[in-house]
Amino acid sequence: GAVVSQHPSWVICKSGTSVKIECRSLDFQATTMFWYRQFPKQSLMLMATSNEGSKATYEQGVEKDKFLINHASLTLSTLTVTSAHPEDSSFYICSVPLGSYNSPLHFGNGTRLTVT
Amino acid sequence: LAKTTQPISMDSYEGQEVNITCSHNNIATNDYITWYQQFPSQGPRFIIQGYKTKVTNEVASLFIPADRKSSTLSLPRVSLSDTAVYYCLVGAPNILTGGGNKLTFGTGTQLKVEL
Repeated sequence: GAVVSQHPSWVICKSGTSVKIECRSLDFQATTMFWYRQFPKQSLMLMATSNEGSKATYEQGVEKDKFLINHASLTLSTLTVTSAHPEDSSFYICSVPLGSYNSPLHFGNGTRLTVT
Repeated sequence: LAKTTQPISMDSYEGQEVNITCSHNNIATNDYITWYQQFPSQGPRFIIQGYKTKVTNEVASLFIPADRKSSTLSLPRVSLSDTAVYYCLVGAPNILTGGGNKLTFGTGTQLKVEL
C-alpha cells in the first residue's frame, strides 16, 4: 500500500489566494521530506527540503516566502503556495526517504494546482 | 551532484525487451543508482536500485559496469502499460545519516510501447 499520502490530489484556486498541500508519511517517521514541482512535459524540479522541527532548505531560485513549508511533526509536511498566480499552476509532488542510507524515495501521488 | 544523461524517448512493441541506458560520468563512490517510473499525473514509482554489477527484481534488471559511469535498465517483455517516463537518478537519497545528497531528476526517457 501507499506509504506517502498527498492531499489534495487537485485544487483550483483564484489568483491571490493561498493553497495548502499536505504530505503524510504513513508508516514511517520522516525527519526529512522533499518537495518537487513539475511543469507539463518537463522533469521534476526539487524545490525544497523539509526538515522536521527546523526551517526548510530551499533550492536556488525558489522563493521561501511564497512557498511556505512547515514540518511540524514526523509524519506531516505542508507546502503552502501563498498569493498564488497563474504561473504557479503546476504539479507538486512530495517524497520521503525511508529507512537506511541508500533507501529509495517514496513519492506521493502529487497535487495538480490550477490558479485561475 | 552527479548529472545523468538519458535518451529523450524510445519506442518499442509489446513483448520486446527494452534497454534504457543512463550515463553518469561523475558518479561518486557513495552514490547509488536508482530508477523510477512515472505515469502522467502521478508521482514517480520506484523500480530498481543498484550499486554495482547486476540487480534483478520482479519487474526489471539493472546492469552496472565496473566503472559505474553508466547503467542500463532492462525491461523484459514490455506491455502497453509500461508506457511511461523513466528516470535514472544517482546519489544517496537518505540524508538522515548525515551523508548522502539530494536527488536531482534529469530529463528522463519517455518510453512508448505499441501493439
